[in-house]
Amino acid sequence: KAGVTQTPRYLIKTRGQQVTLSCSPISGHRSVSWYQQTPGQGLQFLFEYFSETQRNKGNFPGRFSGRQFSNSRSEMNVSTLELGDSALYLCASKPGLVNSADTQYFGPGTRLTVL
Amino acid sequence: AQTVTQSQPEMSVQEAETVTLSCTYDTSESDYYLFWYKQPPSRQMILVIRQEAYKQQNATENRFSVNFQKAAKSFSLKISDSQLGDAAMYFCAYGGATNKLIFGTGTLLAVQP
Repeated sequence: KAGVTQTPRYLIKTRGQQVTLSCSPISGHRSVSWYQQTPGQGLQFLFEYFSETQRNKGNFPGRFSGRQFSNSRSEMNVSTLELGDSALYLCASKPGLVNSADTQYFGPGTRLTVL
Repeated sequence: AQTVTQSQPEMSVQEAETVTLSCTYDTSESDYYLFWYKQPPSRQMILVIRQEAYKQQNATENRFSVNFQKAAKSFSLKISDSQLGDAAMYFCAYGGATNKLIFGTGTLLAVQP
């Protein structure tokens, strides 16, 4: 099976712009989670989607949003970019139902740089 | 709220030797999972090993094993016969009822030839 894929791998934006990142889960996986990784804050949970519904959300401002499509692919959007949004954004998928602790499998990440 | 603590920012080991990475966590949940993930310079997060809290037996995966002490809320990773390819950042992570992973700050492991 192909692993989790994320596009694009690298992105450079300027402050005030918006950005959309895409994640395709492992075939058959229905849960997709997003994480932000920065040197200062480490790995932080953004949100989780299951069956096209957001099931859980981390402590991030409303500028961060996401959605999931019927084929389980997910997108996350960041509006009005700030310098502090520069980070590696990781997507993870797992097969199970919400609230089960199946192993999450990660994609290679999207490196976002905000200038 | 659950927390995960990795107190060793950096570790070094000689090739073929054994090294142990420490992790402690705090939770009031009774049912949860613990994970060790490896993140090499490519930044791809790779699962190393997983432990179910209800299992008393420590998980093993080839050269990787854990020492899970539930009462002490400790979950250390032992890497035997270290190889150059083991050099990476290692993250301990907690997965519980909220379904999100809570990560420690990571331990950067260097393997000396």
